[in-house]
Amino acid sequence: DTGVSQDPRHKITKRGQNVTFRCDPISEHNRLYWYRQTLGQGPEFLTYFQNEAQLEKSRLLSDRFSAERPKGSFSTLEIQRTEQGDSAMYLCASSSYRDRGYEQYFGPGTRLTVT
Amino acid sequence: SQQGEEDPQALSIQEGENATMNCSYKTSINNLQWYRQNSGRGLVHLILIRSNEREKHSGRLRVTLDTSKKSSSLLITASRAADTASYFCATDQMNTGFQKLVFGTGTRLLVSP
Repeated sequence: DTGVSQDPRHKITKRGQNVTFRCDPISEHNRLYWYRQTLGQGPEFLTYFQNEAQLEKSRLLSDRFSAERPKGSFSTLEIQRTEQGDSAMYLCASSSYRDRGYEQYFGPGTRLTVT
Repeated sequence: SQQGEEDPQALSIQEGENATMNCSYKTSINNLQWYRQNSGRGLVHLILIRSNEREKHSGRLRVTLDTSKKSSSLLITASRAADTASYFCATDQMNTGFQKLVFGTGTRLLVSP
């Protein structure tokens, strides 16, 4: 399967712990996005990478959140000192500049539960 | 925050019937896209309509766009049980410098055999 993959698929953590999620985009895609989706809502944009550069961050991304994309390949999203309000599905998507980036390909998501 | 609203929030129909869902948005856009989400396959891109287009077809899908009213509709004809999913519109907003998708709140479609 050459689609977008995310790991882990599920994460249960206690409040105050740190968690890290990984996203592997489609290999030739230079654009990578993170979204957060809460129950009954559509995905909300968190951040955008073009190659290894993080070019845009939403105001939803507090200073407890950090994202990286070393070498422009996989990306990680870390949440420090998790809070119950962080419980959500975290989605990663990628697209290709060559395709003019119109279609974003989404991974299956990481469901985070903070207890 | 969500860009706009989708209507209805939930829709229940029988197989073979048509399903129509509507999306309204707030700002100028480059294009509007529809995505489907179910537990088995995650978010899947269905169709894209550019801001200078009024109607587009893809298989059993028909999308319309009215930029003067800032609204779009998705019609699924001859629905099947496998169409059961949540459907989201997503707008690619102008003047962001990159493709930032802003999703609506979604329509949950249930197609009964």
